[in-house]
Amino acid sequence: AQTVTQSQPEMSVQEAETVTLSCTYDTSESDYYLFWYKQPPSRQMILVIRQEAYKQQNATENRFSVNFQKAAKSFSLKISDSQLGDAAMYFCAYEGGSQGNLIFGKGTKLSVKP
Amino acid sequence: DTGVSQDPRHKITKRGQNVTFRCDPISEHNRLYWYRQTLGQGPEFLTYFQNEAQLEKSRLLSDRFSAERPKGSFSTLEIQRTEQGDSAMYLCASSYIGSNEKLFFGSGTQLSVL
Repeated sequence: AQTVTQSQPEMSVQEAETVTLSCTYDTSESDYYLFWYKQPPSRQMILVIRQEAYKQQNATENRFSVNFQKAAKSFSLKISDSQLGDAAMYFCAYEGGSQGNLIFGKGTKLSVKP
Repeated sequence: DTGVSQDPRHKITKRGQNVTFRCDPISEHNRLYWYRQTLGQGPEFLTYFQNEAQLEKSRLLSDRFSAERPKGSFSTLEIQRTEQGDSAMYLCASSYIGSNEKLFFGSGTQLSVL
């Protein structure tokens, strides 16, 4: 069975600095998708960034980028120029052959200090 | 487009009672998903619909749970004979086939079973 592990329950970053959130996963599939979702206090899960496993190039969305290491089954999220609005729970998620059946990690709570 | 809407936002019930939640997806979305999120955990997949057909159900979805999407638009999730272990946030998400698996989540219904 696929699993997703986020080893950092909490992280803190100074405003305007860079922070990296870690995620590892386990799967025997070769084709899959990986996601980072943000969940602010409003509770709505918001897609931050998405990576297709067959693409070697790391995905980037403005201040958010990933470091996807397929062989190591690692998928970290880098947030550059952190802003107060980035404070939230961040969840790493895996989707294999079953569409829409996302497997989430336990999340990392990110605090941003002014 | 007002996004995915869930009602009610909060529900408090006594053990043994039945509860029903509603989800209104984004209007042109033909896929709809239900997830459950307990405290300190990431969301867990429960079930998903493509139009009105329920295509996949998780083993987490016991016989006390039933989900419907009668006209391929809104969906309901009913829990019969609620138990304290059912206390969680129930999240709904929707997507459109061909949207590269991008799920849009609602803000959830927080269920507390006393």
